[in-house]
Amino acid sequence: EIVLTQSPATLSLSPGERATLSCRASQSVSNYLAWYQQKPGQAPRLLIYDASNRATGIPARFSGSGSGTDFTLTISSLEPEDSAVYYCQQRGNWPPYTFGQGTKLEIK
Amino acid sequence: EVQVLESGGDLVQPGGSLRLSCAASGFIFSSYAMSWVRQAPGKGLEWVSVISAGGGTTYYADSVKGRFTISRDISKNTLYLQMNSLRAEDTAVYYCARGGFTIAFDNWGQGSLVTVSS
Repeated sequence: EIVLTQSPATLSLSPGERATLSCRASQSVSNYLAWYQQKPGQAPRLLIYDASNRATGIPARFSGSGSGTDFTLTISSLEPEDSAVYYCQQRGNWPPYTFGQGTKLEIK
Repeated sequence: EVQVLESGGDLVQPGGSLRLSCAASGFIFSSYAMSWVRQAPGKGLEWVSVISAGGGTTYYADSVKGRFTISRDISKNTLYLQMNSLRAEDTAVYYCARGGFTIAFDNWGQGSLVTVSS
């Protein structure tokens, strides 16, 4: 089973700042890595699929990069509504599909 | 608009059974794999099961294998999760999601709460 490790666990930044979230896989998942955003009381929402492709309706300030075992989600200029937990998920070697433990992003 | 809507969550005793449903609309249901993902209270996301577009291939997480069964009725545009021999650790919000196999989970329902407790 592929283990995804996200860092940092918590990130606290101000509006307008740049956020960089990391996801590391225990073995290569090629580019089959997705990112999800989950706000309190809501379902997850797909942000990025296949490492770098924005999902429908996702603002351009969200971008993804990486391949193999190291991946990054970047939010270029934070908005207050970006406060959420962000999860990475792999489908490079499944079953099972696995998720990272999440990074909580707080906007000051 | 793509929509998936879960129902069937409830309070059930340990060892009991429950069936969740997920009604899909706004897309060609028979063309997409579908999945169940759960989230225990205050915890992260855990994939539970996936079924292929045609329904002929299914996979399960080890934690539910032999106890849960995923199925779909294409005539009703509905996905199901039959859960038997429920345990306290199955307590979670269960999400229905479009995707699996070759695509990410690109549309999610609002979730259905399953509580296993005596």
